[in-house]
Amino acid sequence: NAGVTQTPKFQVLKTGQSMTLQCAQDMNHNSMYWYRQDPGMGLRLIYYSASEGTTDKGEVPNGYNVSRLNKREFSLRLESAAPSQTSVYFCASSSTGGNEKLFFGSGTQLSVL
Amino acid sequence: AQSVAQPEDQVNVAEGNPLTVKCTYSVSGNPYLFWYVQYPNRGLQFLLKYITGDNLVKGSYGFEAEFNKSQTSFHLKKPSALVSDSALYFCAVREIWGQGAQKLVFGQGTRLTINP
Repeated sequence: NAGVTQTPKFQVLKTGQSMTLQCAQDMNHNSMYWYRQDPGMGLRLIYYSASEGTTDKGEVPNGYNVSRLNKREFSLRLESAAPSQTSVYFCASSSTGGNEKLFFGSGTQLSVL
Repeated sequence: AQSVAQPEDQVNVAEGNPLTVKCTYSVSGNPYLFWYVQYPNRGLQFLLKYITGDNLVKGSYGFEAEFNKSQTSFHLKKPSALVSDSALYFCAVREIWGQGAQKLVFGQGTRLTINP
């Protein structure tokens, strides 16, 4: 049982480049999330998808776009990367019905030069 | 908005001693509170949650947390620390917003180091 799988694990971009972070879960969860983790700031929610076909902005959505491709997959796109987007990105998923236990992927470490 | 605060960036404990990682919360209504642990180069893992009921919640790896409504606290505890407990610990609270969407709001994290 793989759980939540993120790719890539590491990425270095130049300012202005674009890229897509991929996330897939095999637990049949309805809800999926993208968080970023920065030192001293904990985890901040970028985007959220309550179910297939829906997405909502979180606390820090600027500079990002998302796609809920199907129930399993939720991707995060940086259209024009900026140094402020250097961070560790985590995808997570959860079932609905009030159970907010999140299952996290192992993260993507992104550096924007 | 719901929030949690972890007042200590770092906690150091000798192996075998009891440990406490502190968390205070600010919520409207009844709080749904969580603890997660992050080991190096890994994603966060769920430890335990408080929804309602007993104020002492037991979780994974021998951890427990005490919900204290009067002090608005939800401290994580373990009677006897292990070196393998060394990790980054996050407190979180559930928040509902928008069209009933739910999310977790995390604290800043506390780095726990257990010294042999």
